[in-house]
Amino acid sequence: DTEVTQTPKHLVMGMTNKKSLKCEQHMGHRAMYWYKQKAKKPPELMFVYSYEKLSINESVPSRFSPECPNSSLLNLHLHALQPEDSALYLCASSLSYNSPLHFGNGTRLTVT
Amino acid sequence: QKEVEQNSGPLSVPEGAIASLNCTYSDRGSQSFFWYRQYSGKSPELIMSIYSNGDKEDGRFTAQLNKASQYVSLLIRDSQPSDSATYLCAVTERNTGFQKLVFGTGTRLLVSP
Repeated sequence: DTEVTQTPKHLVMGMTNKKSLKCEQHMGHRAMYWYKQKAKKPPELMFVYSYEKLSINESVPSRFSPECPNSSLLNLHLHALQPEDSALYLCASSLSYNSPLHFGNGTRLTVT
Repeated sequence: QKEVEQNSGPLSVPEGAIASLNCTYSDRGSQSFFWYRQYSGKSPELIMSIYSNGDKEDGRFTAQLNKASQYVSLLIRDSQPSDSATYLCAVTERNTGFQKLVFGTGTRLLVSP
């Protein structure tokens, strides 16, 4: 069982919808991450939050909007997505620099 | 462009054999190296982390790191059918503070009974 919890597990949304992905960890980790993974491809980094502040944005389109309300929670707000945004969205956390990432179970997103 | 390269496989081994998975990386300044296992449709699961040259053993798994050759490997002893998965090599970029991992494309391992 993963200690990083993501909801929902599956999400189907239309291109005009607004939805949010949620991630929660209670391990005291101070860094949280969003990754995107397409089929048969490696995970690609989207955002990194360090101590609740956005540290890295990998030039992600503005239709993806991250939010870190507190050290345990990470959200990804979705708006006006495209079908090519369909993928597995992975949340991860790490205790500190050089500590391994622990991934959640992911949200399988389908944009219709 | 930081790169991490793996043979995509599939690597097929019989049950009980040793599986050897290899990875090379381009950033000579990388300091942290990880192996993740990913079953189809699931999220990556950390198998091993290694930070210094040499071998690190954990149960049936051994990670090997050679920074001079920019090479990291994973050995799986007594391979089991349940080890069949894609194994992702991940390397940190130099001087990026918190973990900015660069993943290889993964090697698919098939262990036949």
